[in-house]
Amino acid sequence: QKEVEQNSGPLSVPEGAIASLNCTYSDRGSQSFFWYRQYSGKSPELIMSIYSNGDKEDGRFTAQLNKASQYVSLLIRDSQPSDSATYLCAAQGGGTASKLTFGTGTRLQVTL
Amino acid sequence: DAGITQSPRYKITETGRQVTLMCHQTWSHSYMFWYRQDLGHGLRLIYYSAAADITDKGEVPDGYVVSRSKTENFPLTLESATRSQTSVYFCASMLTNSYNEQFFGPGTRLTVL
Repeated sequence: QKEVEQNSGPLSVPEGAIASLNCTYSDRGSQSFFWYRQYSGKSPELIMSIYSNGDKEDGRFTAQLNKASQYVSLLIRDSQPSDSATYLCAAQGGGTASKLTFGTGTRLQVTL
Repeated sequence: DAGITQSPRYKITETGRQVTLMCHQTWSHSYMFWYRQDLGHGLRLIYYSAAADITDKGEVPDGYVVSRSKTENFPLTLESATRSQTSVYFCASMLTNSYNEQFFGPGTRLTVL
């Protein structure tokens, strides 16, 4: 069973702080990794993709990938109340490249 | 740019009835997917399609049927709905590039009484 694990939270951070969201995966053949943001009652929205070891930055978001440790993280700098949502981590398997395995998500709360 | 749409957005039906959920995308993406999202299980893949007339099972296909006669449409049918199929259903399509990113429709909330 290929799995993606996330802490369900809630992760509570004050406004302006850095939020750190973590994810581990079991399939060593996974090639690409994705972070989706999902507001309550809405559909998942893609915010970051990463497939090489290291960091990838886009605005206030930084995705980090360590394939040796099978670990993916998302950092959100200068957290805003509008960042309060559930963040889903997904891994794309090496076998059938199109299929994603999702974690159950981490709920982030940014407090004023 | 309509992107990816789903209909209906909300549906209430009874056990044993047939229900079809529609998905339409305007991007001409070759891949399309159906997921269901339930508390405690996250998003689970039901079926996917690599192109018109090519479909394959995902993690939880039992009780569902799909077809794809046109690239832009990917309907999901529950042949005889059960209460365990009460869920939120998301359709997604995939841009085939170096990342193979998937983009989701707005979802259909289905209740089976």
